[in-house]
Amino acid sequence: EPEVTQTPSHQVTQMGQEVILRCVPISNHLYFYWYRQILGQKVEFLVSFYNNEISEKSEIFDDQFSVERPDGSNFTLKIRSTKLEDSAMYFCASGTSTDTQYFGPGTRLTVL
Amino acid sequence: GEDVEQSLFLSVREGDSSVINCTYTDSSSTYLYWYKQEPGAGLQLLTYIFSNMDMKQDQRLTVLLNKKDKHLSLRIADTQTGDSAIYFCAETGDSWGKLQFGAGTQVVVTP
Repeated sequence: EPEVTQTPSHQVTQMGQEVILRCVPISNHLYFYWYRQILGQKVEFLVSFYNNEISEKSEIFDDQFSVERPDGSNFTLKIRSTKLEDSAMYFCASGTSTDTQYFGPGTRLTVL
Repeated sequence: GEDVEQSLFLSVREGDSSVINCTYTDSSSTYLYWYKQEPGAGLQLLTYIFSNMDMKQDQRLTVLLNKKDKHLSLRIADTQTGDSAIYFCAETGDSWGKLQFGAGTQVVVTP
């Protein structure tokens, strides 16, 4: 059964550094999402992406965040200058419509 | 704003039924979802229900929706040790595709 995959599984970075989190959505999916879960808190929506543009973004998704679909298979989340509070599990999701979202296993980002 | 609430923990004996409850505040929710998260894994979509339905059954899973009370439940029949996980309730909130999650209910199945 096709799955959403994410790399790396764990990323450790220094505060102020840029990180790129990568996702390979399920191949025939058209809608893509990023969520994050800070330890002990709820899963939070960051951004949705369709037809090569952002459909919606939350107030968390400020100018330090960007998303890109650089080719036909990858979907990336870039954090330009990481802060300590960006430490979280980042989940990518995809779907054929907005009705259902299939999640990847997540990337644990640790900012030191 | 929108909020989704769940109880944090449920212990159930193997073979019994589990019922996980969720309440939400957003009356414009179109779809409501249950996701399962096993240790070290992502969020697995278990089932979902459209807001104009009040029940959906899928093998051992039964979802009940009381739209008037904004209450959603997930019943797992004949609970197995493999059902031990965190179960998240989610709703679509005020816009398509933007899921609002509860904090998750940790279900522990004991022999």
